Amino acid sequence: SQKIEQNSEALNIQEGKTATLTCNYTNYSPAYLQWYRQDPGRGPVFLLLIRENEKEKRKERLKVTFDTTLKQSLFHITASQPADSATYLCALAGGGANNLFFGTGTRLTVIP
Amino acid sequence: EAQVTQNPRYLITVTGKKLTVTCSQNMNHEYMSWYRQDPGLGLRQIYYSMNVEVTDKGDVPEGYKVSRKEKRNFPLILESPSPNQTSLYFCASRERRTGVDEQYFGPGTRLTVT
Repeated sequence: SQKIEQNSEALNIQEGKTATLTCNYTNYSPAYLQWYRQDPGRGPVFLLLIRENEKEKRKERLKVTFDTTLKQSLFHITASQPADSATYLCALAGGGANNLFFGTGTRLTVIP
Repeated sequence: EAQVTQNPRYLITVTGKKLTVTCSQNMNHEYMSWYRQDPGLGLRQIYYSMNVEVTDKGDVPEGYKVSRKEKRNFPLILESPSPNQTSLYFCASRERRTGVDEQYFGPGTRLTVT
């Protein structure tokens, strides 16, 4: 079965720096990869989607890359702020498949 | 406002007492699903529905039932809850079946089974 790993459970960075989160997967060839943000006690909120034929996607301070050879996606937050502190989840879906498979998440803390 | 609602938000019950968690979306989405979230295990899909009267098992369906009689509602039923079903549950919906659409999540239901 597919396996999705997010680099670490927790990541602490200084305000203003770039946070880089990693999502690695095995036994799967996703057509789409999504990133979500989850705050404590709340449901995940969609941030970005990237397709298998796209190398990079940007939205404001967020950037996502997708390397299907390495089976990896990187999620960057530039000029990080304390308000960016949350858990970030990656999720994969196949082209014709119905279901999203989620990683366990990385808890990001931005220190003022 | 586009949203997914769940009720109740918190529930403490005893082993074996049937319960239902309701889920409703106001976006006319075709696809709805239920997840449970446990520490270290992430979000795991319980059941999903591609449209009215069409439901299927996800990764962890044992001990759960669902129904989709109307497009907007997708209740989760625990016929005989057990302590290993203590978890945080999320309902989600998206416009279409394919993974290209973003998923909208409800606020979650924290269930404790004693």
